[in-house]
Amino acid sequence: EIVLTQSPGTLSLSPGERATLSCRASQSVSNYLAWYQQKPGQAPRLLIYGASSRATGIPDRFSGSGSGTDFTLTISRLEPEDFAVYYCQQYGSSPYTFGQGTKLEIK
Amino acid sequence: EVQLVQSGAEVKKPGESLKISCKGSGYSFTSYWIAWVRQMPGKGLEWMGIIHPGDSDTRNTPSFQGQVTISADKSISTAYLQWSSLKASDTAMYYCARIGSGWTLQHWGQGTLVTVSS
Repeated sequence: EIVLTQSPGTLSLSPGERATLSCRASQSVSNYLAWYQQKPGQAPRLLIYGASSRATGIPDRFSGSGSGTDFTLTISRLEPEDFAVYYCQQYGSSPYTFGQGTKLEIK
Repeated sequence: EVQLVQSGAEVKKPGESLKISCKGSGYSFTSYWIAWVRQMPGKGLEWMGIIHPGDSDTRNTPSFQGQVTISADKSISTAYLQWSSLKASDTAMYYCARIGSGWTLQHWGQGTLVTVSS
């Protein structure tokens, strides 16, 4: 089973700042990596698939990069609604797995 | 519009059985895989398994194999997750989601909270 490790566990930033979230896989998943956003009391929402493709309706301030074992989600300028928990998910190898999440909180 | 509507919250006792549902609409239900995802209180997401409603092909994650049963009734566009004997450790929010590109989870239900307590 592929283990995904996200860092940092918590990221404290202010609106307008740039956020960089990391996801590292225990073995290569090629570009089969997705990112999700989850706000309190809500279901997760797909942001990025294929490591770098934005899902429908996702603002272009969200971008994904990486391949193999190292991936990054970047939010170029934080909006108040971006403060949430972010999960990466690999679908390169079954069983498909999630990272433990990064909480993005307001500083 | 794609919608997945899940059944309501449940409170059960250990040892009881339970079946929760996920009804799809706004798309061809038999053409897309449905996944079930567990989120224990205050914790992250766990992929439980998937089903193809068209032919009921089912693939469980090993850690959930034998613990739950995933099924679907294509005649009513509904997928199910069931337990034969609940444990306190089954207390969690359970989400269904429709597979999108690759094996990503493109559309999500609102979640069903299952509480197991004596």
